[in-house]
Amino acid sequence: DQQVKQNSPSLSVQEGRISILNCDYTNSMFDYFLWYKKYPAEGPTFLISISSIKDKNEDGRFTVFLNKSAKHLSLHIVPSQPGDSAVYFCAAIWSGGTSYGKLTFGQGTILTVHP
Amino acid sequence: DAGVTQSPTHLIKTRGQHVTLRCSPISGHKSVSWYQQVLGQGPQFIFQYYEKEERGRGNFPDRFSARQFPNYSSELNVNALLLGDSALYLCASSLTGREKLFFGSGTQLSVL
Repeated sequence: DQQVKQNSPSLSVQEGRISILNCDYTNSMFDYFLWYKKYPAEGPTFLISISSIKDKNEDGRFTVFLNKSAKHLSLHIVPSQPGDSAVYFCAAIWSGGTSYGKLTFGQGTILTVHP
Repeated sequence: DAGVTQSPTHLIKTRGQHVTLRCSPISGHKSVSWYQQVLGQGPQFIFQYYEKEERGRGNFPDRFSARQFPNYSSELNVNALLLGDSALYLCASSLTGREKLFFGSGTQLSVL
């Protein structure tokens, strides 16, 4: 049962344009969402997060939007740069759960930004 | 400052063998989590330890076990290895387990 889904395995974008990565979740208990970026041969690196009490969080070129009613979140990268090329994982957590170190990850989206 | 360190970086084992993976968290972090990432999938939660106690366990067989030491470092043990155990094993640490996780670079395990 895939509780966090990233339905686009890959995304290709031109440098300078906007990248939009999407994520859907099914478990309504999730109350905190995170985006991680992963380069080959490295561990995932935290990018940005959002609490379920907000609908938007911004950090520089990165903005995460949360639509609770649709159980959908998206990551916007503006402007996209070639160095942003990586695998992006959406993750969710239920902070009230007993396994509070447990992140549930999506399958990942490979972003390629062309110069 | 040193990040999360894992050893070894790569490991090749044969079916039926046992393996021990090691993780040192960021200094001051008391929570360690283990994840398995199979190629083409997102990381899957295996265990979480906080202050040397198991606080969470994912849907993995009893062949998988872990422990956390007084210095907060951790070991993940896998017995009776199967081909399907071939994966990248990631360790992550955080202050208490309720914040964003910081991941190590992982141990790439190949079971032949």
